Amino acid sequence: GAVVSQHPSRVICKSGTSVKIECRSLDFQATTMFWYRQFPKQSLMLMATSNEGSKATYEQGVEKDKFLINHASLTLSTLTVTSAHPEDSSFYICSASLADSYEQYFGPGTRLTVT
Amino acid sequence: AQKITQTQPGMFVQEKEAVTLDCTYDTSDQSYGLFWYKQPSSGEMIFLIYQGSYDEQNATEGRYSLNFQKARKSANLVISASQLGDSAMYFCAMSSASEKTSYDKVIFGPGTSLSVIP
Repeated sequence: GAVVSQHPSRVICKSGTSVKIECRSLDFQATTMFWYRQFPKQSLMLMATSNEGSKATYEQGVEKDKFLINHASLTLSTLTVTSAHPEDSSFYICSASLADSYEQYFGPGTRLTVT
Repeated sequence: AQKITQTQPGMFVQEKEAVTLDCTYDTSDQSYGLFWYKQPSSGEMIFLIYQGSYDEQNATEGRYSLNFQKARKSANLVISASQLGDSAMYFCAMSSASEKTSYDKVIFGPGTSLSVIP
């Protein structure tokens, strides 16, 4: 099956710094990648949709200047949390999909802690 | 607006018994897909089963089956012969294609925590 990786799996950063999370599709080319955020004991909330070569589409309420998304190739999308604050601490999960496929393949997630 | 409702925050089931996890959805789209995912404590999202809105047969995948009732807009997950390893969060999700984009966006329900008792 299709494999999606995320790096890092865990990261701790200080308040005010930026942190980058990578999402890679390892054995397929993903036309679209999605970024989700999950707070403890809550559901996944879609943050943005990333298409290769074009600007990301952000969901309502998600600050695009704070959560920078770059989809540089068909196998890599990055999420950069800029000027991180403790309230940004969360579990960030990416997923990737193929054209004409209903299934999304999820990465293992990145746990971000901002101190 | 699309919405997924899971009314059972937590469920318990005896090992080897069957359990039904409820899911109702709301959408005005004619074409959509329904999913169930399992999320163990490790955090990974594990795809379990998929049902297309035009599929006439209920989807089945091993011990998982989806009871799709389109008129009632429900897509309940049935797990047969529960195992201890089934203890996890279960999320119902729905995808639908926007007219403006070429991709399907997936939204998730609030989840149900399932605990299997030995």
